[in-house]
Amino acid sequence: EADIYQTPRYLVIGTGKKITLECSQTMGHDKMYWYQQDPGMELHLIHYSYGVNSTEKGDLSSESTVSRIRTEHFPLTLESARPSHTSQYLCASSELRDFNEKLFFGSGTQLSVL
Amino acid sequence: DAKTTQPTSMDCAEGRAANLPCNHSTISGNEYVYWYRQIHSQGPQYIIHGLKNNETNEMASLIITEDRKSSTLILPHATLRDTAVYYCIVRSRSGGSNYKLTFGKGTLLTVNP
Repeated sequence: EADIYQTPRYLVIGTGKKITLECSQTMGHDKMYWYQQDPGMELHLIHYSYGVNSTEKGDLSSESTVSRIRTEHFPLTLESARPSHTSQYLCASSELRDFNEKLFFGSGTQLSVL
Repeated sequence: DAKTTQPTSMDCAEGRAANLPCNHSTISGNEYVYWYRQIHSQGPQYIIHGLKNNETNEMASLIITEDRKSSTLILPHATLRDTAVYYCIVRSRSGGSNYKLTFGKGTLLTVNP
């Protein structure tokens, strides 16, 4: 099983609050990703990182920001949460083997902004 | 990356084989077929991948047609815990740092008792 952890599992907060979603992996993977998924909908890539001090925007525009100061840690921050940010946020890391990458996902954080 | 087409949903009886089809008619020679699944409210889980030969692991078998324009994921003895959304993804062989995996809508497989 993959060793990638997301906290909190569920988060309910009020509008305007600053929040940070935590994601950590113990596999030493260089690449990490954040996906956003609404109920019954597709996963959308919002951020990714090639390694320490590397962050890139994904395919879906997001008001969130990320940082990658340590290999194992890839937190996502919302400076001022709004109801439109209500969604599930999934973190993943990947290993490269024989030129093919396998993604390992965390269990996700279900965010509800009131 | 080549586009894929999957049925929106499928049903399967518990204990029977589940055969999930995927069309990828625009696949190119260096593109692999990947399968992931997502059980309700959890993160997706890697199942299997292949290029042109059939592949089998402890979870499933992947059958790729000779022209590589379609493939089938086979769960030999489906259980209730196999109920999930199954994603078929085509992606080029990763040799650089710009790898991004794009998930479509997938197929909702419901295994019935």
